[in-house]
Amino acid sequence: QVQLVQSGAEVKKPGASVKVSCRAFGYTFNSFYLHWVRQAPGQGLEWMGRVNPVDGSATYAQKFQGRVTMTRDTSTSTVYMELSGLRSEDTAMFFCARDEGMAYFDFWGQGALVTVSS
Amino acid sequence: SSELTQDPDVSVALGQTVRITCQGDSLRNYYASWYQQKSGQAPSLVLYGNNHRPSGIPDRFSGSRSGNTASLTITGARAEDEADYYCNSRDSSGYHVMFGGGTKVTVL
Repeated sequence: QVQLVQSGAEVKKPGASVKVSCRAFGYTFNSFYLHWVRQAPGQGLEWMGRVNPVDGSATYAQKFQGRVTMTRDTSTSTVYMELSGLRSEDTAMFFCARDEGMAYFDFWGQGALVTVSS
Repeated sequence: SSELTQDPDVSVALGQTVRITCQGDSLRNYYASWYQQKSGQAPSLVLYGNNHRPSGIPDRFSGSRSGNTASLTITGARAEDEADYYCNSRDSSGYHVMFGGGTKVTVL
């Protein structure tokens, strides 16, 4: 069945970078965009961007432009989200989610908690 | 505007009907979808294309859109429906995605 399996929790210091992975199982990897969504503790969902698995092109939310890089590895059906210049307010759960191209997300990863603390 | 606005909190008596709304200009041109998020869990899709239910979603969940407002209605709310609900859609450019701020539904 369809599964998106994310990497584990991370603790980073301010100014560092973090790279979170999301591996897809149970469907044709190239058939769906993969998006990243951030959720700070007690807060709502925030769209960060998406990657096109066919050609690796990415589109980012303006808020994260310049600080985020999304990539994919078709050999392992995995997408990556790297966020640089971490600050305490980046402490959040990061989710990957699948989209057929209609901007709705039918499957989600379990989330990866990133804690930024000195 | 490139925003989706939701009421932060809504309560409903067990077995009654509740409607959650999501307001934004982009909804005039793009479909809304809705997600349920229970405490400590990832969100899950409950409606897409304004009013379509994915497989496995009970028919007490329904959706509609009028003008710039999309709605999610729970008819005959159950205790397990207590959760946060988020709408999402494309923004006005069509290239980006956005979420509403979320509505906490409490079942009394």
